[in-house]
Amino acid sequence: IAGITQAPTSQILAAGRRMTLRCTQDMRHNAMYWYRQDLGLGLRLIHYSNTAGTTGKGEVPDGYSVSRANTDDFPLTLASAVPSQTSVYFCASSEEGGTGPDTQYFGPGTRLTVL
Amino acid sequence: GQNIDQPTEMTATEGAIVQINCTYQTSGFNGLFWYQQHAGEAPTFLSYNVLDGLEEKGRFSSFLSRSKGYSYLLLKELQMKDSASYLCAVRENDYKLSFGAGTTVTVRA
Repeated sequence: IAGITQAPTSQILAAGRRMTLRCTQDMRHNAMYWYRQDLGLGLRLIHYSNTAGTTGKGEVPDGYSVSRANTDDFPLTLASAVPSQTSVYFCASSEEGGTGPDTQYFGPGTRLTVL
Repeated sequence: GQNIDQPTEMTATEGAIVQINCTYQTSGFNGLFWYQQHAGEAPTFLSYNVLDGLEEKGRFSSFLSRSKGYSYLLLKELQMKDSASYLCAVRENDYKLSFGAGTTVTVRA
């Protein structure tokens, strides 16, 4: 069992280009999340999905879009990248609605540089 | 919304104890999490508190006081591998997490 995988591991992107970060989980978790992590700011929620077919906006959604066509996949798209989107992006998932604390588990991250 | 504060950096000696404090303000508290994050890696779950009191897990313990909006993570018998960032995260009733900026702990020999 891999848990959560993200691709690519790192990417350098020219400003204005479109980019999709991929996230796949094999834990059959209902909820999935995208965060960005910047030095001194901690993890900030970009978008989330409580279940397949639904998505919601987090704290910093502008410039990003997501889709949740099935339980396992939750891609994050930057339609037209800007340098301020240079960051480390983490995908996470949680069971949501289970009997436990609904702990979020994180993927290994994608380091994105926009020039 | 959330306002989560934790110290930026702490340094301690191998074998010692370190306490990382976290204070928060929230309109609907539904649990507090601590995560460990080594440089260049993903955050990994350490502990969860939803009721007041102390939760102990081996060398790590976490405490919560909901009335004071306060938690701490206690790391005992520090080892070099404990050098990492420790993230405090608060969950509100909508199940979304808000994270503090993290505390970088450096363990010296």
